[in-house]
This record gives sequence, structure tokens and C-alpha cells, in this order.
Amino acid sequence: EDQVTQSPEALRLQEGESSSLNCSYTVSGLRGLFWYRQDPGKGPEFLFTLYSAGEEKEKERLKATLTKKESFLHITAPKPEDSATYLCAVQETSGSRLTFGEGTQLTVNP
Amino acid sequence: SQTIHQWPATLVQPVGSPLSLECTVEGTSNPNLYWYRQAAGRGLQLLFYSVGIGQISSEVPQNLSASRPQDRQFILSSKKLLLSDSGFYLCAWGWGRSSTDTQYFGPGTRLTVL
Repeated sequence: EDQVTQSPEALRLQEGESSSLNCSYTVSGLRGLFWYRQDPGKGPEFLFTLYSAGEEKEKERLKATLTKKESFLHITAPKPEDSATYLCAVQETSGSRLTFGEGTQLTVNP
Repeated sequence: SQTIHQWPATLVQPVGSPLSLECTVEGTSNPNLYWYRQAAGRGLQLLFYSVGIGQISSEVPQNLSASRPQDRQFILSSKKLLLSDSGFYLCAWGWGRSSTDTQYFGPGTRLTVL
């Protein structure tokens, strides 16, 4: 059974203080690893898909990386508007269903 | 571009009452469609998915059901709601035919069962 564990559960940063969120996963065969951002009361917003170990993708202050066992979402010089819950999900080669982690709630203080 | 709609946005229902939540997608054809539930402060749990009209797969046994009467319409229903059905219900669509089925989510419906 696919498993996704995100850490930490919550993270408080000062504006400009860079950090990383972790997503550890267990899957029989990885088709894709997905990162989403979710604001309170809203649906998740797609950020990145990573397909294979060593792959990296960037968007503004966010960079996602992937190894065979985990993914990191690096946040460089965050701003208060980066405050949200970040969700990680995996999709295995046998189908299209996503298995989600519980998320990391990020708060960036001004 | 593609757009996904859900309604209602919020719903308060008594225990034992019926439920119907609707999701529609614009700007694509033959999408994969998904229903998820998110409990407060938790991750997403897949409830149902559909790869075509009338084709529904259930992931979690419960008192909910899903139907897909049209290509871009997905409905979540219940005959009698339970307190445990409260939560944030999210509909998502994916391309289906692509090698990786990235899923795009709607705005969600907040359901409170009293």
C-alpha cells in the first residue's frame, strides 16, 4: 500500500527565512509525485509534478526536488503570502489515483 | 482553458437527510473525474473516481454514492447523511489519456451534518 508522510506538520518562519518541507513516500512504482498548495477553505492548487529521481522544478520562491524515497519543497526567502498548507501526493504506475500526505502548514510572519 | 465548478459552496444538513453535490468541468472532453473528502486539518481521502460516463469506481465503503450522467458532470449523493459525513468535499479532474494524470481541484463544498 502506498504511503506518504510529510514533515514537519507545522512550520513557522520569519519573512526571508529559507527552509524545506519533506515528503517521504513508499510506492511500488512511482508514476509521479505531486505538490499542491492549499489555502484555508479552498481547493488545492497544483504546483509541480516530478517523475524521476534527480529531477528538480522551480516556480518563483519554490523549488521541488525528488529522490527515490523522498521529495523536498525548498522555500527561498519566503513572504507572508506563501503561508498555506502544502500537500504532497504520489501516483503509482498501475493507475491514476493519488495518495496524499497529511500536509505541512506553513506560516510566514512579516 | 479548463475550469471546474462545484456547488453548493457550503451546506448544512440534518442527520438522515439526503445529499446531492454537483461538479462540472468546462474546456475539456472525456476527463477522469474524482471525489475526495478532507477532514479538518487532514489530508485528502479518495472516495470515487470515473474514467467515463456511467463508469464509477468506489475506493471507500460508506453510505455515499457517485454518478456520472454526462461526460463533464460528476455527482456525489447520499440517501441518509451521518454525522461522520461532515467534511470538505473536493472534486478534481485529470486528462486521463496522458502518461501522468495530474489532477486539478475545484473550490470544494463544506458540508456540516448536524
